[in-house]
Amino acid sequence: GAVVSQHPSRVICKSGTSVKIECRSLDFQATTMFWYRQFPKQSLMLMATSNEGSKATYEQGVEKDKFLINHASLTLSTLTVTSAHPEDSSFYICSARAGDRDYEQYFGPGTRLTVT
Amino acid sequence: GQNIDQPTEMTATEGAIVQINCTYQTSGFNGLFWYQQHAGEAPTFLSYNVLDGLEEKGRFSSFLSRSKGYSYLLLKELQMKDSASYLCVAGDSNYQLIWGAGTKLIIKP
Repeated sequence: GAVVSQHPSRVICKSGTSVKIECRSLDFQATTMFWYRQFPKQSLMLMATSNEGSKATYEQGVEKDKFLINHASLTLSTLTVTSAHPEDSSFYICSARAGDRDYEQYFGPGTRLTVT
Repeated sequence: GQNIDQPTEMTATEGAIVQINCTYQTSGFNGLFWYQQHAGEAPTFLSYNVLDGLEEKGRFSSFLSRSKGYSYLLLKELQMKDSASYLCVAGDSNYQLIWGAGTKLIIKP
């Protein structure tokens, strides 16, 4: 099956620093990648949708200047949390979709971010 | 508006059968997914229904009624490893996914 990797799996950073999370589709080309955030005991919340070579589309309430998304190739998307604060501590999950109508998404294993 | 409703928590016994219900309201409809999510892990795909009826896949089955905006996930021969959250997810006319809050399933010996 399709495999999506995320790196790092866990990261602890100090308040005010930036953190980059990578999402890679290992055995397929992902035309669309999604970034989700999940707080404890809550459902996944879509943050943004990114298509290769174009700007990401952010969901309402998500600051595009704080959560920088780059989808530079068909196998790699990155999420950079800039000037992180403790309230940004969360589980960040990416997923990838192979085509426009194949919207069974393949999820990465997630990245646990803790901001101290 | 778009909305997914499913129970917050259910408890069942190992070896038994459990049915997790889900009702949805979306702008257009392009299918209903069920995902399983263990604590601290990403969701994993279980099933996809776009036509009315029952889809069976091993111990798991998923049912859809488009006219009623209703789906259920049926888990048979429950095992302790089935303890997880089960997420009901509907696709709207723009192929966006609307996520339910999840049903936490607790399996007791």
